[in-house]
Amino acid sequence: DTAVSQTPKYLVTQMGNDKSIKCEQNLGHDTMYWYKQDSKKFLKIMFSYNNKELIINETVPNRFSPKSPDKAHLNLHINSLELGDSAVYFCASSQEGTGWDGQYFGPGTRLTVL
Amino acid sequence: GQNIDQPTEMTATEGAIVQINCTYQTSGFNGLFWYQQHAGEAPTFLSYNVLDGLEEKGRFSSFLSRSKGYSYLLLKELQMKDSASYLCAVWKGSGGGADGLTFGKGTHLIIQP
Repeated sequence: DTAVSQTPKYLVTQMGNDKSIKCEQNLGHDTMYWYKQDSKKFLKIMFSYNNKELIINETVPNRFSPKSPDKAHLNLHINSLELGDSAVYFCASSQEGTGWDGQYFGPGTRLTVL
Repeated sequence: GQNIDQPTEMTATEGAIVQINCTYQTSGFNGLFWYQQHAGEAPTFLSYNVLDGLEEKGRFSSFLSRSKGYSYLLLKELQMKDSASYLCAVWKGSGGGADGLTFGKGTHLIIQP
């Protein structure tokens, strides 16, 4: 069973469109995240959600909005897409508390804006 | 600001040993992670250091010195499949993991036969 899954794996779209990426984790983790990895492979945190509450939003444009219908899902909505949004977006999850063993990453969604 | 530095690229020979260094200056510190990322794939967890010293896990070991803001990842008996990017990441949080990880830009390791 896949621990953290994302759909779609590839997304090609035109500038100005609105798109969503879905993420689901079956690990029972409390916290989910969205990261962006740019063309230079730099991985940067965008959002962190804990028990359906937004914990951090790292200076991300408000065109990006996370939506968490429940603890196992964290979707990413992007409005008015721009060329600079082209990147790989990774969803991740982790469990709070002791014995923390890091974050589990989904397979990534490669977004290309034309 | 947050600063996590690691070499951009390293080359090593199959069967040898390689050490990837990471230095950090962050506004908080609650642990340091190493992740491996193969091209086109997701990062996968390798190690976590919160106390000073060496953590060994099979062919991979990770070292931390909090006073020096320094860590390294040591890979022994290198195999061709170890060719990947290695990401150093700091967890700044004070409990749980809800504040995410701050990553360095990664070290691309090339293994030659």
